[in-house]
Amino acid sequence: DTAVSQTPKYLVTQMGNDKSIKCEQNLGHDTMYWYKQDSKKFLKIMFSYNNKELIINETVPNRFSPKSPDKAHLNLHINSLELGDSAVYFCASSQVDSHGYTFGSGTRLTVV
Amino acid sequence: SQQGEEDPQALSIQEGENATMNCSYKTSINNLQWYRQNSGRGLVHLILIRSNEREKHSGRLRVTLDTSKKSSSLLITASRAADTASYFCATDATGNTPLVFGKGTRLSVIA
Repeated sequence: DTAVSQTPKYLVTQMGNDKSIKCEQNLGHDTMYWYKQDSKKFLKIMFSYNNKELIINETVPNRFSPKSPDKAHLNLHINSLELGDSAVYFCASSQVDSHGYTFGSGTRLTVV
Repeated sequence: SQQGEEDPQALSIQEGENATMNCSYKTSINNLQWYRQNSGRGLVHLILIRSNEREKHSGRLRVTLDTSKKSSSLLITASRAADTASYFCATDATGNTPLVFGKGTRLSVIA
């Protein structure tokens, strides 16, 4: 019954690998997001996406790419992983004129 | 950047005391929201206050907004150990841009 679910919860991988994080929401929301939370707990928007528009934070390296097979899913693909990509990645969703975002529980990515 | 800045960065209080956290931001907003994050968990939406509102209550939470000073405060009354968490403010500039989060206040409530 989880509203926004992310998998995996933990991901440990070597530098240079390519990995994906999946996100699904069952709330019928129009927009989904990916945020990165660094070791100092700072949350930074990476992407927002609805069925009409993808908004990319221009500071995000093009090694990161969102892919949305349908309205309920927004997956995050990361190519050529680097040590600095280690962080917790949060997926979220919202509805227009909603009362806030609903977040997933996060994916802790560790690049070694 | 419209990023919010919370103050203080960390706050430690005794159970039963009130906790006040402040947030300042830089640009015009449609609304401001507060979220809670327990250790190792996702963020949970607490309360939203619109730019034309000055104060809002939800249970033990009281939020104020002063758009002239570009600041907001979150008051948690009669705190409990379970309130221990990080609290973030987030600003919504328009309906089409994602929320921008502040750096958060770490609240510790000691039983």
